[in-house]
Amino acid sequence: QVQLVESGGGVVQPGGSLRLACAASGFAFSRYDIHWVRQAPGKGLEWLVLITHVGGNDWYADSVKGRFTISRDNPKNRVYLHMSSLTSEDTAVYYCARDQGLHLDYWGQGSLVTVSS
Amino acid sequence: DIVMTQTPLSSPVTLGQSASISCRSSESLVHTDGNTYLSWLHQRPGQPPRLLIYKISNRFSGVPDRFSGSGAGTDFTLKISWVEAEDVGVYYCMQATKFPVTFGGGTKVEIK
Repeated sequence: QVQLVESGGGVVQPGGSLRLACAASGFAFSRYDIHWVRQAPGKGLEWLVLITHVGGNDWYADSVKGRFTISRDNPKNRVYLHMSSLTSEDTAVYYCARDQGLHLDYWGQGSLVTVSS
Repeated sequence: DIVMTQTPLSSPVTLGQSASISCRSSESLVHTDGNTYLSWLHQRPGQPPRLLIYKISNRFSGVPDRFSGSGAGTDFTLKISWVEAEDVGVYYCMQATKFPVTFGGGTKVEIK
């Protein structure tokens, strides 16, 4: 079955960096675009970034452009989100999700990132 | 960016009764390819979102037929024909017609 599992979350100091990973299984990973979406505590969903299936193109939300970088390793069935210059406003649960024709059909369980000194 | 506005913010419903959620976009969601990339997601407490409806009215695999989506252009509706206990949670509309992808603020469905 389709499965996405995020990892790499934790507590990081303001101004610090963190790399999240999204491990995929149960489908032909290299054929699908992948998104990252986050949810601050008690808040709604915020889209962050998309990477295309071949990794050649990506799109970022203005809120993370220049600070976050997405990449993928198709042979390893993984997508990475490198986050830098983190602030308290980046505290959230980070989800990766599979794109199936501009709708997000499968989501991971999420990885909590807490930015705090 | 396209702004997605959901109403109501909260919807207390009686088990077995229907519920409707409205989602309005700040501009048309009709893509140049003719499709409208409006979807609905449901999030139970402590769980990730899950897809219910895509391209306005297509139910995702395994979604009960008591869920239906309708609308066009800038106005869309999710209807739950008869609410069951497992339907509680927050419902979000999402547009991917024009990047950045944007979500509605969410509608909380709870049982009276």
